[in-house]
Amino acid sequence: GENVEQHPSTLSVQEGDSAVIKCTYSDSASNYFPWYKQELGKRPQLIIDIRSNVGEKKDQRIAVTLNKTAKHFSLHITETQPEDSAVYFCAATGYSGAGSYQLTFGKGTKLSVIP
Amino acid sequence: NAGVTQTPKFQVLKTGQSMTLQCAQDMNHEYMSWYRQDPGMGLRLIHYSVGAGITDQGEVPNGYNVSRSTTEDFPLRLLSAAPSQTSVYFCASSYSYEFNSPLHFGNGTRLTVT
Repeated sequence: GENVEQHPSTLSVQEGDSAVIKCTYSDSASNYFPWYKQELGKRPQLIIDIRSNVGEKKDQRIAVTLNKTAKHFSLHITETQPEDSAVYFCAATGYSGAGSYQLTFGKGTKLSVIP
Repeated sequence: NAGVTQTPKFQVLKTGQSMTLQCAQDMNHEYMSWYRQDPGMGLRLIHYSVGAGITDQGEVPNGYNVSRSTTEDFPLRLLSAAPSQTSVYFCASSYSYEFNSPLHFGNGTRLTVT
């Protein structure tokens, strides 16, 4: 099955700086790559996603890039704010056989934005 | 729409007890799944379903059973609780099992097994 590695596990940045979180995946057939943000004690919520036919996607201060050849994708947050502090999860989905797809998550990155 | 509703929010069990975690969605989603979240381990898939009457195992299925008799409901049963099952459990659903749309999570159930 799919294996997703996420780095770093913790990240501290000064308010206003940029933050970058990187993920690699193992299954070259994976075609959907979402990112989730989880605030303390709350459920994960989708912040941005990208499909394999697109190399980059932006939504205000958040962007995701995908390199299919190298099998890695990254989350970029610019002009970070204290409310960006949370745990971020990357994920990749691929075909797992018998008509089934699975979404496999990375282990998460705890982002702390220091005011 | 309520989205994905999980009950209970908190539960304490003794080793060997059984219980069912409830999950319901009102978005007519095909795909439903259960994840467990442990510190430093991310979200690990327990079981999933691509439609009523169809279920399959995920990464960590041992000790859990599921059924999908309706599109809306996807309960998770712990057969004989063990301390290793202490975790936060999330139910999640998606419109398509091909993940052409996002995964929506419930608010989670925090389970402690003593």
